[in-house]
Amino acid sequence: EAGVTQFPSHSVIEKGQTVTLRCDPISGHDNLYWYRRVMGKEIKFLLHFVKESKQDESGMPNNRFLAERTGGTYSTLKVQPAELEDSGVYFCASSPSILGLAEYEQYFGPGTRLTVT
Amino acid sequence: AQSVTQLGSHVSVSEGALVLLRCNYSSSVPPYLFWYVQYPNQGLQLLLKYTTGATLVKGINGFEAEFKKSETSFHLTKPSAHMSDAAEYFCAVSEWGDMRFGAGTRLTVKP
Repeated sequence: EAGVTQFPSHSVIEKGQTVTLRCDPISGHDNLYWYRRVMGKEIKFLLHFVKESKQDESGMPNNRFLAERTGGTYSTLKVQPAELEDSGVYFCASSPSILGLAEYEQYFGPGTRLTVT
Repeated sequence: AQSVTQLGSHVSVSEGALVLLRCNYSSSVPPYLFWYVQYPNQGLQLLLKYTTGATLVKGINGFEAEFKKSETSFHLTKPSAHMSDAAEYFCAVSEWGDMRFGAGTRLTVKP
């Protein structure tokens, strides 16, 4: 079974540009999460999808960030326009249906390292 | 709201020595607790988790952690460190599926 995949693995863009990160969760996982880690700090929750609906987007930093999960499969996270402080590693994670304890274990992708110069 | 504190951003041990990585949490409901490990250039991998039942949890690679409710702790231990254990370790707490992480502890293993 394929794990969570993320694309690209690295992205270097200039301030003001737009970047779109993609996450493909494990097939059949209803829950999809985005996290971000700024260098040396904790991994911070950004948002949570259940299928195609945003369950919780309380961690999104501001309206320059837009996440979508059309059709309840893969998700994209767009940053427009990017600022220097957006640099960091963006992780995606998925977990199965909300029924049962298994929902609480999340499977992580390798992350996308974003550098804004 | 739940939160996690990891004491010590860097821990260094000698090969063969005990590994102890500290984690304290706060949660308004009985928590689910996790330890994840991140090796260089890789994603986070689950080491172990506590949901209910036995408070001493065994994970992969010889690691274990004990849930102590009275101390709100979930420290990670391994009796004998191996060079391959060098990585960054994250403690996390989940109440309703939304996970909150500590700042991470980087473990260095000296020969």
